[in-house]
Amino acid sequence: DAKTTQPNSMESNEEEPVHLPCNHSTISGTDYIHWYRQLPSQGPEYVIHGLTSNVNNRMASLAIAEDRKSSTLILHRATLRDAAVYYCTSNTGNQFYFGTGTSLTVIP
Amino acid sequence: DGGITQSPKYLFRKEGQNVTLSCEQNLNHDAMYWYRQDPGQGLRLIYYSQIVNDFQKGDIAEGYSVSREKKESFPLTVTSAQKNPTAFYLCASMRGTGYGYTFGSGTRLTVV
Repeated sequence: DAKTTQPNSMESNEEEPVHLPCNHSTISGTDYIHWYRQLPSQGPEYVIHGLTSNVNNRMASLAIAEDRKSSTLILHRATLRDAAVYYCTSNTGNQFYFGTGTSLTVIP
Repeated sequence: DGGITQSPKYLFRKEGQNVTLSCEQNLNHDAMYWYRQDPGQGLRLIYYSQIVNDFQKGDIAEGYSVSREKKESFPLTVTSAQKNPTAFYLCASMRGTGYGYTFGSGTRLTVV
């Protein structure tokens, strides 16, 4: 299994940048790194994914370490709507394994 | 718009009864998945299917069954053999390797 490790919780002030870390030391060379976020009682929402290079989209940026054993999801300006549980996952074949994620609290 | 529809959103059943959760997608995705989520926990894989008429067990398949007769549909049956069925059930689909999941909005099953 491609296991990931994340801090249980983090806090950020509104409109400040947030860096959410993830360790995935067992990742293989062809496994993608994906990030999802989940609001209470809803299905997870795709945020971003990457393989080796840093990636940007309208929601966030993904910085991937050169050895690919860790990555960081960057929210450039946290808003109250960004409060959620963020999951870092990696796939083995066509399956993704989810840990318990990081619960992000955004302070107004 | 394309997406995944799970129904119903809430489901109550008596202990010992089988219950079937619906999952339909119009994204033309080949792969579909069922996950279970317990309070404060991550997602655990129950079953997955990469093609019609074929499916594989995930990490916690005992007490569950699935079918994949159509590309669009992947229903999950929670049988009376499942010892602790009360949970939040999530269905997902994926276009293929290198792409991410699209999740449904989930079904919360409560067994009384």
